[in-house]
Amino acid sequence: EAGVAQSPRYKIIEKRQSVAFWCNPISGHATLYWYQQILGQGPKLLIQFQNNGVVDDSQLPKDRFSAERLKGVDSTLKIQPAKLEDSAVYLCASSTTSYNEQFFGPGTRLTVL
Amino acid sequence: AQTVTQSQPEMSVQEAETVTLSCTYDTSESDYYLFWYKQPPSRQMILVIRQEAYKQQNATENRFSVNFQKAAKSFSLKISDSQLGDAAMYFCAVTYSGAGSYQLTFGKGTKLSVIP
Repeated sequence: EAGVAQSPRYKIIEKRQSVAFWCNPISGHATLYWYQQILGQGPKLLIQFQNNGVVDDSQLPKDRFSAERLKGVDSTLKIQPAKLEDSAVYLCASSTTSYNEQFFGPGTRLTVL
Repeated sequence: AQTVTQSQPEMSVQEAETVTLSCTYDTSESDYYLFWYKQPPSRQMILVIRQEAYKQQNATENRFSVNFQKAAKSFSLKISDSQLGDAAMYFCAVTYSGAGSYQLTFGKGTKLSVIP
């Protein structure tokens, strides 16, 4: 069974530029999550989708971050414009249901200069 | 709001020995789920063990077991017969159904080193 795929693996941009991350969850997983993991901390949930609907985006900085999950499969997370404090690893995860095991992708390491 | 505290930023253990990682949490919910996740260096995070709060019996998975003390809101992870491959960051996490979603809250992690 293929795991959660993410791209790109690494990205370096300058502040005020925009960036987009892509995630392909495990086939059949209805729930998809985007997390931000700052160095030395645990992951923090940014947004949770159930199929193609948003279940929780309470911690998403909506003035600069946006996410979508078209057709309930792939998802993209966008940052525009980026700030220095957005430097982090962005993790995508998926699960069959909200309270079951989450399967994580390899993450995208973003560096904002 | 949920909080998860891992009081040990770093731990080390001799190969083949046993180590216990601590975790405490704070939630007002009665029905919730607890997890330990492992994040090896430059590798993907994977689930180690899962515990339902309504179950009194402690979860076990091969060399991994938990000591779940619901009243004390404590959820420690014991690793027996430690192996070199156990070296990683370990994150404790808790989730409950709030406003229709199960939001997973992670602690800051414990870095485990295994000494040959």
